[in-house]
Amino acid sequence: AQSVAQPEDQVNVAEGNPLTVKCTYSVSGNPYLFWYVQYPNRGLQFLLKYITGDNLVKGSYGFEAEFNKSQTSFHLKKPSALVSDSALYFCAVRDMGTNAGKSTFGDGTTLTVKP
Amino acid sequence: KAGVTQTPRYLIKTRGQQVTLSCSPISGHRSVSWYQQTPGQGLQFLFEYFSETQRNKGNFPGRFSGRQFSNSRSEMNVSTLELGDSALYLCASSPGQGIDGYTFGSGTRLTVV
Repeated sequence: AQSVAQPEDQVNVAEGNPLTVKCTYSVSGNPYLFWYVQYPNRGLQFLLKYITGDNLVKGSYGFEAEFNKSQTSFHLKKPSALVSDSALYFCAVRDMGTNAGKSTFGDGTTLTVKP
Repeated sequence: KAGVTQTPRYLIKTRGQQVTLSCSPISGHRSVSWYQQTPGQGLQFLFEYFSETQRNKGNFPGRFSGRQFSNSRSEMNVSTLELGDSALYLCASSPGQGIDGYTFGSGTRLTVV
């Protein structure tokens, strides 16, 4: 079975400070990992993905994520947070093995950036 | 380029009724997935289709079913509605078999009374 854990329900940071939203995963095979963002009253938007290659992937809106195979983590990061980054963030994993055709999402982390 | 379109946006049904939700993916996208989103349960996978074939199904009762048509449009059906089926139902499409990431629609808000 595949699973995703986002250990923090809420993350609060001050504008201009770096931010990290944590994600750990479990899959039987090689993971495909994703981050999505959901703004209030709007649909989920794709931010970035890790398929293979460099462990640091860059995505939309200045976000990046670091894949760590030994720690089975895929933390989302941004060097300098903006108030407009305040939203609900979801990590997702996809296994191309026995669970092909299924993406599992974490429970989400609410990011609040204060001016 | 049109996004993922879900209809209707809002729906109110009575317990015991059935409902059909529709999803039109982005043109050229062949994969469609469905999710149920609730405040307490987060995003729960319902099923995924690729080229009219169901690739995987989540842990939902048989009252939940879906299909995909040759033009990649998809429908999901819920029969014998229960109060607990009240949720936001999200459809997402992807060009290939999901490794490109998904584009989500705005969802259908289903309320069962």
